[in-house]
Amino acid sequence: AQSVTQLGSHVSVSEGALVLLRCNYSSSVPPYLFWYVQYPNQGLQLLLKYTSAATLVKGINGFEAEFKKSETSFHLTKPSAHMSDAAEYFCAVRERGSQGNLIFGKGTKLSVKP
Amino acid sequence: NAGVTQTPKFQVLKTGQSMTLQCAQDMNHEYMSWYRQDPGMGLRLIHYSVGAGITDQGEVPNGYNVSRSTTEDFPLRLLSAAPSQTSVYFCASSYFGTEANTQYFGPGTRLTVL
Repeated sequence: AQSVTQLGSHVSVSEGALVLLRCNYSSSVPPYLFWYVQYPNQGLQLLLKYTSAATLVKGINGFEAEFKKSETSFHLTKPSAHMSDAAEYFCAVRERGSQGNLIFGKGTKLSVKP
Repeated sequence: NAGVTQTPKFQVLKTGQSMTLQCAQDMNHEYMSWYRQDPGMGLRLIHYSVGAGITDQGEVPNGYNVSRSTTEDFPLRLLSAAPSQTSVYFCASSYFGTEANTQYFGPGTRLTVL
C-alpha cells in the first residue's frame, strides 16, 4: 500500500533561513503529490501540487517543491523563512487511477525563531 | 462561495451519546470525504463519497456512519461515542475523475468524548 514519510516531526529555523521539509513516497509509479499547510486551529490549505507537468513546482507564499523520481521524494523548500510560516505542513499522495483518496504523512511542525 | 463548511466547531459528548457532524459544500463537487486528525498521526480517512447515494469506507471507519443524499451535504454520524473518538474532524471535497484535483478542506470540528 502507498505510504508517505515525512522526516522530522518538528523543524526549527531562524527567520531568514532556508526552510527544508522532507517528504518521501513509497509507490513505484509516481503518484500525484501535494503539500498542505495548517495554521493553528484552522483547516488545511493547499500550498502546491505535482501533477507531472513539471518537476519543480512553485506554490503560494514563496514555497516550492521538487519531484525527484530517483529518490521518490517531494521535498518542500522556501529560501527565506518568515515568522508567518510557522505552521504544520502535511505531504499527501494520491495514487494514479485511485478514487481520489489522499494518503497523508504524519506532518511536520515548523517553528520560526526571531 | 462559502467553500466547505462544518458545524459545530466544538462539541463535548459523554460516552455512549450519539451526534452528527455536519459538512456542506457549495462548489458542486462530486467527491467528499471525512478525515480525523490526531497528534502525531496526520490525517486518516474515515469515509468518502464519489457522488450522491455512493459512499465507501476509508482507513478508520469503525464507529462512524455516513450518507450522501445530496451533492452538497455529507454528514458524519457517531453512533455511540467513545473516548477514542476524541479528535479533530475535517471534511473535504473536490471534483471527481481527475486525480490531480485539489481537495478543499473545511475548518474542522473539535470533538471531546468524556
